Amino acid sequence: AQTVTQSQPEMSVQEAETVTLSCTYDTSESDYYLFWYKQPPSRQMILVIRQEAYKQQNATENRFSVNFQKAAKSFSLKISDSQLGDAAMYFCAYRSLAGGTSYGKLTFGQGTILTVHP
Amino acid sequence: DGGITQSPKYLFRKEGQNVTLSCEQNLNHDAMYWYRQDPGQGLRLIYYSQIVNDFQKGDIAEGYSVSREKKESFPLTVTSAQKNPTAFYLCASSIDHAGPEQYFGPGTRLTVT
Repeated sequence: AQTVTQSQPEMSVQEAETVTLSCTYDTSESDYYLFWYKQPPSRQMILVIRQEAYKQQNATENRFSVNFQKAAKSFSLKISDSQLGDAAMYFCAYRSLAGGTSYGKLTFGQGTILTVHP
Repeated sequence: DGGITQSPKYLFRKEGQNVTLSCEQNLNHDAMYWYRQDPGQGLRLIYYSQIVNDFQKGDIAEGYSVSREKKESFPLTVTSAQKNPTAFYLCASSIDHAGPEQYFGPGTRLTVT
């Protein structure tokens, strides 16, 4: 079974600065997706960024980028020019592409609470 | 606007009562999912459905039941057999079970006393 670990329960950053959130995962599969989701105080889960395992190029979405290290099974999220609206709980998630009962299932990490200071 | 709706936002029940949480989507998605979120933990999969009239157990299905009679609807019943039902419940959908992204509803906070 796959596991996803976020080792930073809480992080903080000053507005306009850069912060990196860490995520590691364990899998024996070679093809999968990785995601970062944001959950603000409203508790609505919002997709931030997606990475396909077969792609070597790191995904980027505006101020959000990832550092995907497949061999190390590491998937960190970098938020540049942090804004007050970035304050939220961030979840790393793994999506299996293998057949069987794991197919399509999202496995989530425990989450990292990000605080942005003005 | 296309999206996923969950109602109500807050739900209170007495112990021993069954309760049904609503999830509706107008995205024309085939696949739908139910997750449970507890404090300090990530989301855990309860049930999922790849297509109408079909559903599969997730990691924590005990004490829950679902139905998928219509494409747009995937209600979750929390039965009296669920030992710790108080939690935040999130419904999600994807275009199909192969679709990479899952889109989430706003969630329902269930409190059982």
